[in-house]
Amino acid sequence: QKEVEQDPGPLSVPEGAIVSLNCTYSNSAFQYFMWYRQYSRKGPELLMYTYSSGNKEDGRFTAQVDKSSKYISLFIRDSQPSDSATYLCAPSALNAGNMLTFGGGTRLMVKP
Amino acid sequence: EPEVTQTPSHQVTQMGQEVILRCVPISNHLYFYWYRQILGQKVEFLVSFYNNEISEKSEIFDDQFSVERPDGSNFTLKIRSTKLEDSAMYFCASGGGYEQYFGPGTRLTVT
Repeated sequence: QKEVEQDPGPLSVPEGAIVSLNCTYSNSAFQYFMWYRQYSRKGPELLMYTYSSGNKEDGRFTAQVDKSSKYISLFIRDSQPSDSATYLCAPSALNAGNMLTFGGGTRLMVKP
Repeated sequence: EPEVTQTPSHQVTQMGQEVILRCVPISNHLYFYWYRQILGQKVEFLVSFYNNEISEKSEIFDDQFSVERPDGSNFTLKIRSTKLEDSAMYFCASGGGYEQYFGPGTRLTVT
């Protein structure tokens, strides 16, 4: 079983749609959960991070963590064509040098 | 807005040569990292660095790799004898706590 898994997509939605991106993980030691956005051939851009279970909202983005089911979600409201990118979840355990374990990413396409 | 910078953007080298990839982290950050991403694959952790020493490294980070913070602003990754399979994007990241901010990457091509 891979440590961090994401549906690779592509996920294609119309502009203005609500997008749900998901990630599952197997390591119970993960405590911090990051979401990154990566445009083609660019560096990952930090969108949000959360600690342990719960929700966190930032503008059009909401991150949700359910540690009991080892399930992470990122919701994007009012999606825009500029949101078209690959979205990477990257959890981290405490006391592990802050090492991030990346999923393979979900490619999102928002069509005008 | 402060950002991580990396040079060069693209490095081409021959197998067996040494390369040094350079990074300037965000100025008040204390934690520094290198990751790599082979084309079409996941981003993979290489090493984390804090308080002038390695705090964690992956299996990829073998004796051919080393990191250094030679002064107050630069953070470097050295690959002593490059192999074809070292061809990848190399990302530097820095952070003040658990969050990590990535640079634009250096594309390393080993021929």
